Amino acid sequence: KQEVTQIPAALSVPEGENLVLNCSFTDSAIYNLQWFRQDPGKGLTSLLLIQSSQREQTSGRLNASLDKSSGRSTLYIAASQPGDSATYLCAVRPSSGGYNKLIFGAGTRLAVHP
Amino acid sequence: DGGITQSPKYLFRKEGQNVTLSCEQNLNHDAMYWYRQDPGQGLRLIYYSQIVNDFQKGDIAEGYSVSREKKESFPLTVTSAQKNPTAFYLCASSIVAGGATGANVLTFGAGSRLTVL
Repeated sequence: KQEVTQIPAALSVPEGENLVLNCSFTDSAIYNLQWFRQDPGKGLTSLLLIQSSQREQTSGRLNASLDKSSGRSTLYIAASQPGDSATYLCAVRPSSGGYNKLIFGAGTRLAVHP
Repeated sequence: DGGITQSPKYLFRKEGQNVTLSCEQNLNHDAMYWYRQDPGQGLRLIYYSQIVNDFQKGDIAEGYSVSREKKESFPLTVTSAQKNPTAFYLCASSIVAGGATGANVLTFGAGSRLTVL
């Protein structure tokens, strides 16, 4: 059974710091992996989608990498800003089991203070 | 602007009552989903629909029901059989369901928070 784990559960950093959020998954049979952002009491916004054949994706100050064989992905945020404060979730889409759904991690709650 | 509208944003339910959460999308997406989010946990899939008049159970369908009579609408009913319904409910849609392409990237609504009194 696919399980997704995100470490750390919470993170507090000063503004300007570069930081890394981690996501691990137990089954490497995936189509893709997505990173989402969720503001308090709001829905999810898709940040980056990495296909299983890709190693990384970049969008502005965000860079996500994927190492499918080791079951790991990282989200790198450069020069963090207070506006980056949110919960970041990763999710994988399994390619086995005949079930088309996303498996989510519990998220990393990020606070960037001025 | 295209998007997903969920209503109501906040809902209170007495024990024994059924309540219905609305989800409407104007993205012309075929697939729609309902997720439940509890504190400290990842999102869990309740139901999904790949096309009008078709829907499938997710991991935690017990105590919930859905319908998909129109492409734009995918309402979720939380029945009295759901023993612990207090949670944040998220509706999502994608161009298609499943597969390896980017067409399955999900767009989410703003969510509905249900509290049982």
